[in-house]
Amino acid sequence: GAVVSQHPSRVICKSGTSVKIECRSLDFQATTMFWYRQFPKQSLMLMATSNEGSKATYEQGVEKDKFLINHASLTLSTLTVTSAHPEDSSFYICSARGGIPGELFFGEGSRLTVL
Amino acid sequence: QQQVKQSPQSLIVQKGGISIINCAYENTAFDYFPWYQQFPGKGPALLIAIRPDVSEKKEGRFTISFNKSAKQFSLHIMDSQPGDSATYFCAASIQGTYKYIFGTGTRLKVLA
Repeated sequence: GAVVSQHPSRVICKSGTSVKIECRSLDFQATTMFWYRQFPKQSLMLMATSNEGSKATYEQGVEKDKFLINHASLTLSTLTVTSAHPEDSSFYICSARGGIPGELFFGEGSRLTVL
Repeated sequence: QQQVKQSPQSLIVQKGGISIINCAYENTAFDYFPWYQQFPGKGPALLIAIRPDVSEKKEGRFTISFNKSAKQFSLHIMDSQPGDSATYFCAASIQGTYKYIFGTGTRLKVLA
């Protein structure tokens, strides 16, 4: 299957700072990527849809000014958590469309801890 | 109507046994139903998926059973192994999009 890579896998930051997480499709072009958030022992919740060359579409309740998404190329989408606070600590996972209609491949996830 | 209900929340199975996880949905617009396996600290990995035009799909030890009229689908893991111990998520995809609605997850533990 397609490979989606995330970086960093773990990041610890101080409250009030901004953190950027990268999501790359390694062996295919991804016009659309998706960002999910997962709290411990909970399910994945879709945050936003990232479209190459256009603005991201955010799900209801997700603050677009806090979670900045940029999809500048066909292989890279970034999620920036701005002015992070402890409640933003979570597991952030990106995904990209596979070759089969409906199929999504997920990255390894990025664990954010805000102190 | 956008929810996908998953049960059980946790499951303990003896090695060699059959693990069964169930999911139910309401939205008839869903047209793609994948199952994902997730190990701690890792992203979910696609196991197997089914579309509503078939009632069953089998890949190795993993089988999806799909009941369109009941709006239910289930994952069967045959000959369960300790290495299968993980959290399993069902999902449903909204027709025409790739937006997944995930179930709440099932933590499977296979005893050696």
